[in-house]
Amino acid sequence: GAVVSQHPSWVICKSGTSVKIECRSLDFQATTMFWYRQFPKQSLMLMATSNEGSKATYEQGVEKDKFLINHASLTLSTLTVTSAHPEDSSFYICSASPDPGANVLTFGAGSRLTVL
Amino acid sequence: AQSVTQPDIHITVSEGASLELRCNYSYGATPYLFWYVQSPGQGLQLLLKYFSGDTLVQGIKGFEAEFKRSQSSFNLRKPSVHWSDAAEYFCAVGLSGGYQKVTFGTGTKLQVIP
Repeated sequence: GAVVSQHPSWVICKSGTSVKIECRSLDFQATTMFWYRQFPKQSLMLMATSNEGSKATYEQGVEKDKFLINHASLTLSTLTVTSAHPEDSSFYICSASPDPGANVLTFGAGSRLTVL
Repeated sequence: AQSVTQPDIHITVSEGASLELRCNYSYGATPYLFWYVQSPGQGLQLLLKYFSGDTLVQGIKGFEAEFKRSQSSFNLRKPSVHWSDAAEYFCAVGLSGGYQKVTFGTGTKLQVIP
């Protein structure tokens, strides 16, 4: 079946540094990918829509300069958390649709970011 | 805008007992409805979905859900719970024709006791 892979699964960084998280569609092409953020014991909040070859679309309240999204190819989207702070610590999940006709999303396993 | 309410934050059931997780949605048109399961530290796995047709939908792992338009509900059920079902369950609603942008409920954490 369709697989969305995220890397790294876990990352710990120092405050002020930048962290890149990759989201890859392993066996399908995705012109659109979605990035979610999940705080502990809370639901997933859509952060942005990543569009291949164009700028990402950010949800209201999400700082685009803080969370840089690049969708350079049909199988890869990256989320860079710039100048990370402890409040950016969260679980970041990406998703994509392997088959638009099926009308469902496949989610990655998530990337847990801890900022010290 | 669409919204989803999962009124039960935490549910505990005995292994072998039946399960029902509640989900209510708010959306003016016919919604796309989903149930996802998330194990600790994992991503989301789709259990089942409803777009149209038969209002009782069957999913993986023995789960089913029933769409009730009059109640704006999409409750998840399983007749006999297994210990491996312990996880967090999310109901989600998507725009018709715009299923990709979904809104998630706050989740229900299921604990299964022997």
